[in-house]
Amino acid sequence: NAGVTQTPKFRVLKTGQSMTLLCAQDMNHEYMYWYRQDPGMGLRLIHYSVGEGTTAKGEVPDGYNVSRLKKQNFLLGLESAAPSQTSVYFCASRRGGGAKNIQYFGAGTRLSVL
Amino acid sequence: KQEVTQIPAALSVPEGENLVLNCSFTDSAIYNLQWFRQDPGKGLTSLLLIQSSQREQTSGRLNASLDKSSGRSTLYIAASQPGDSATYLCAAQTGANNLFFGTGTRLTVIP
Repeated sequence: NAGVTQTPKFRVLKTGQSMTLLCAQDMNHEYMYWYRQDPGMGLRLIHYSVGEGTTAKGEVPDGYNVSRLKKQNFLLGLESAAPSQTSVYFCASRRGGGAKNIQYFGAGTRLSVL
Repeated sequence: KQEVTQIPAALSVPEGENLVLNCSFTDSAIYNLQWFRQDPGKGLTSLLLIQSSQREQTSGRLNASLDKSSGRSTLYIAASQPGDSATYLCAAQTGANNLFFGTGTRLTVIP
């Protein structure tokens, strides 16, 4: 039972390079999220999706784009990476929007931008 | 914007002690309050979720309480074990997709 899987686990980029982080869930969840976690700060929401083909901005969306072409996958793209995007990125999913539905998290992607 | 604060940032206790972790939030209009565990280099694991209409939730040695009026939640861990060593995060949900996290309390249980 894989749950939420993130690839890659680690990545080093140079400023200006682009990359895509992949999140896959096998729980048939409708809602998916991308967060970033920085030292001294709580997790912050970047973008989210409430279903296949839908995306919406979270608290810190600038510099990122997302796509949800398939229900099980949620992609996070960095078009032109900046050192300020050095962070640990977490994907999460949950069954629906109800107050009882918890979020299930992936193991994270550690990204360094030089 | 919801602000979530966790104090202390770090805590060390000897094995077997009971302990309390604190979480405070600024906006009492929450859907729920959640507690997560994060191990080094790993993702978050949900421990307990307290809906806004509830006062507490229990799971094994863990008990979480919620006082919306004062903007506080506590996580009580009974008979702590070395395996409980981790960072504990609380998060307040204020909308269908708005989950605001604290910065966590790093717990070390000393054998």
